[in-house]
Amino acid sequence: DSGVTQTPKHLITATGQRVTLRCSPRSGDLSVYWYQQSLDQGLQFLIQYYNGEERAKGNILERFSAQQFPDLHSELNLSSLELGDSALYFCASSTGTGDVFFGEGSRLTVL
Amino acid sequence: GDSVTQMEGPVTLSEEAFLTINCTYTATGYPSLFWYVQYPGEGLQLLLKATKADDKGSNKGFEATYRKETTSFHLEKGSVQVSDSAVYFCALRRNYGGATNKLIFGTGTLLAVQP
Repeated sequence: DSGVTQTPKHLITATGQRVTLRCSPRSGDLSVYWYQQSLDQGLQFLIQYYNGEERAKGNILERFSAQQFPDLHSELNLSSLELGDSALYFCASSTGTGDVFFGEGSRLTVL
Repeated sequence: GDSVTQMEGPVTLSEEAFLTINCTYTATGYPSLFWYVQYPGEGLQLLLKATKADDKGSNKGFEATYRKETTSFHLEKGSVQVSDSAVYFCALRRNYGGATNKLIFGTGTLLAVQP
């Protein structure tokens, strides 16, 4: 158990819908990262937050957004969903300069 | 930009065989290097790391040495087991700034070990 908790584990929804994925980082970790894992794109970095502020942005679509709350948990919002958004979404966390630990992921299926 | 290149899989080995999974990187400066493992249906777990040139990371019988001259971080294990079957990801992280920076991953290599 990495200590990073993601909910839900599985989610099935329809095209055009909006979903929210939630992540609780390890206790004491200030950085939260979101990654998307798909068969054709591999592991793609989406976005990083550090202590509530956006720190780095990767290949995140405009239809996607994220935030980190004062209690340090984070949410990834995916809207206007398309079939191609079906993937495994990972959250990870770290301390200021420490190792990065991953949650078990949220599997999103868009039908 | 920074990137990681891994050997294509799948790699299929018999139990007790020697394993090498090649990984090379492109990055400015002196990144830290990592191997993560993903077992079926699970998240990524940190397997080992090296933070500077010539460092050797090791864990659970796996080893990798940070070779700056060849920009490589190949993963090795002397005798694989069926339980090692998983996807292995090589990754780098540039070291700058006050907060941990993002990991950049290779495409992953599927290892299948047969009894």
